[in-house]
Amino acid sequence: GAVVSQHPSRVICKSGTSVKIECRSLDFQATTMFWYRQFPKQSLMLMATSNEGSKATYEQGVEKDKFLINHASLTLSTLTVTSAHPEDSSFYICSARMQGSDGYTFGSGTRLTVV
Amino acid sequence: GENVEQHPSTLSVQEGDSAVIKCTYSDSASNYFPWYKQELGKGPQLIIDIRSNVGEKKDQRIAVTLNKTAKHFSLHITETQPEDSAVYFCAASMGGADGLTFGKGTHLIIQP
Repeated sequence: GAVVSQHPSRVICKSGTSVKIECRSLDFQATTMFWYRQFPKQSLMLMATSNEGSKATYEQGVEKDKFLINHASLTLSTLTVTSAHPEDSSFYICSARMQGSDGYTFGSGTRLTVV
Repeated sequence: GENVEQHPSTLSVQEGDSAVIKCTYSDSASNYFPWYKQELGKGPQLIIDIRSNVGEKKDQRIAVTLNKTAKHFSLHITETQPEDSAVYFCAASMGGADGLTFGKGTHLIIQP
């Protein structure tokens, strides 16, 4: 079946630094990738949608200059949290969609802690 | 945009009994309705999904029903087992480049 690999699984960074999270589709080409954020004991909230080769579309309230998304190939999307602050601490999860498919395959998530 | 409501937030059932989780959605254009199981510290795992041209789908102990007119869909788990304990999320999507809108989740507890 479709597999999405997400790295790192956990990261701790200092306030003010940047962190990059990678999301790879291992056995299929993902024309669209999605990034979600999940705070403790809450639901997943869509942050942005990225299509290969074009600019990401951000949901209302998500700062595009803070959360940089790059979808340079059909198998890789990256999310960079710039100038991270403690309030950015969260569980970030990517999802990929195969061309022509309804289904969404999720990565295993990245636990970001900003200290 | 789409809004998905999910109930209950917590559900405790005896092992072997059935569990039912209900969701409603607001946008009639939504046509894909998956259910996910999420264990602590992990990404969501698809357990079953249904498309708007189908009213019911079953996979062993798990079933999903969809009422398009009323805009609600439900997850049914029969013969519950301890390993069914987790947080379950319903979601809705309009397809295409549309992402998923999730419900707030249900913490299912299976009592031995």
